[in-house]
Amino acid sequence: GNSVTQMEGPVTLSEEAFLTINCTYTATGYPSLFWYVQYPGEGLQLLLKATKADDKGSNKGFEATYRKETTSFHLEKGSVQVSDSAVYFCALIDSSNTGKLIFGQGTTLQVKP
Amino acid sequence: KAGVTQTPRYLIKTRGQQVTLSCSPISGHRSVSWYQQTPGQGLQFLFEYFSETQRNKGNFPGRFSGRQFSNSRSEMNVSTLELGDSALYLCASRPTTLDEQYFGPGTRLTVT
Repeated sequence: GNSVTQMEGPVTLSEEAFLTINCTYTATGYPSLFWYVQYPGEGLQLLLKATKADDKGSNKGFEATYRKETTSFHLEKGSVQVSDSAVYFCALIDSSNTGKLIFGQGTTLQVKP
Repeated sequence: KAGVTQTPRYLIKTRGQQVTLSCSPISGHRSVSWYQQTPGQGLQFLFEYFSETQRNKGNFPGRFSGRQFSNSRSEMNVSTLELGDSALYLCASRPTTLDEQYFGPGTRLTVT
């Protein structure tokens, strides 16, 4: 079945450092891919999405490119801030049902001043 | 537009009791999905409703059920609560023509 694998955390960075959170997926077909972010005590916020191969999703300085050949959707940001500290989830839409998101296990990011 | 709202935000129940959680989607969204989030299992899909019909169900026991009303508001019910049902329950709504989902703040259920 479809699945998503994320790099294990926590990831600890200093402010203004470069961020990469790795995400790979297994899926039949060409599902849409997403990154969600969860701040403490809150629900999930959609950060960015990509719907087909070579699409680049971007938002708030974060970027991720849909790589079909490597089945990856790595999240990057050039310069992180303390306010980016949160848990990041990579997800895909199950190709057989657009109402079901399949999530990775989440990666905790802590940014220190 | 108002976001997805969930009530109550926090709930404490005793083993064996039942609980009902409520979700109001973003105006105009007809699809509502429910997820359970726990530290051990992560985020797991419970079920999806569209136009008052359950379209898909995750791998959860029959104690977990849901419904959707004509105004797209949704409820989920858990009967005969177990300690392992303690979790954050998240509801998400989706516009008909797009596949991204928008989440509410969740209901934190604690079973003692």
